[in-house]
Amino acid sequence: QKEVEQNSGPLSVPEGAIASLNCTYSDRGSQSFFWYRQYSGKSPELIMSIYSNGDKEDGRFTAQLNKASQYVSLLIRDSQPSDSATYLCAVRYSSASKIIFGSGTRLSIRP
Amino acid sequence: NAGVMQNPRHLVRRRGQEARLRCSPMKGHSHVYWYRQLPEEGLKFMVYLQKENIIDESGMPKERFSAEFPKEGPSILRIQQVVRGDSAAYFCASSSLTSGAGSTDTQYFGPGTRLTVL
Repeated sequence: QKEVEQNSGPLSVPEGAIASLNCTYSDRGSQSFFWYRQYSGKSPELIMSIYSNGDKEDGRFTAQLNKASQYVSLLIRDSQPSDSATYLCAVRYSSASKIIFGSGTRLSIRP
Repeated sequence: NAGVMQNPRHLVRRRGQEARLRCSPMKGHSHVYWYRQLPEEGLKFMVYLQKENIIDESGMPKERFSAEFPKEGPSILRIQQVVRGDSAAYFCASSSLTSGAGSTDTQYFGPGTRLTVL
């Protein structure tokens, strides 16, 4: 059974600091990795996708992938109160397979 | 370019009735996924469909639930004889699943249908 694990939180980070969200996955053959943000009562929205080992930066967000360790993370720099949400890690084994979501980490940015 | 559309946004049914949820994928997308989310829980995969084909239904309950994605029209998730435990948010996502160099398989989510069973 392919699994994606996240710490449920809540993770509390002061405004302006770096928030670090982590995710591990069980299937070593996984190929595609995603971070989604979900506000309460809303649908998930894509923040980042990453396919290769290393870092990928987009604005204040950096996704990091380490396939050897089966680990993917999301860094949020200069955290803002509007970043307070649940962050979902998602992993896809192959292009023809479903995406498996972690249970999400609740992030709270305190002013 | 319109995003993923779902309707209705809210659906109330009494126990034993049928619930029919609709999803229209983004323009150009031919892959549709359905997820269920209970309050304070993560997204649980239900079914993955392409036009006229069910690719993976490993997350679908064996009874009362069915899904289709016809050649024309939206994808439909159908729940027969609903029970209180079916109350949840049901999300649809779509992707284009291009392959090769620069391939992408990103899923984009619709706003969801919130089903309440009385």
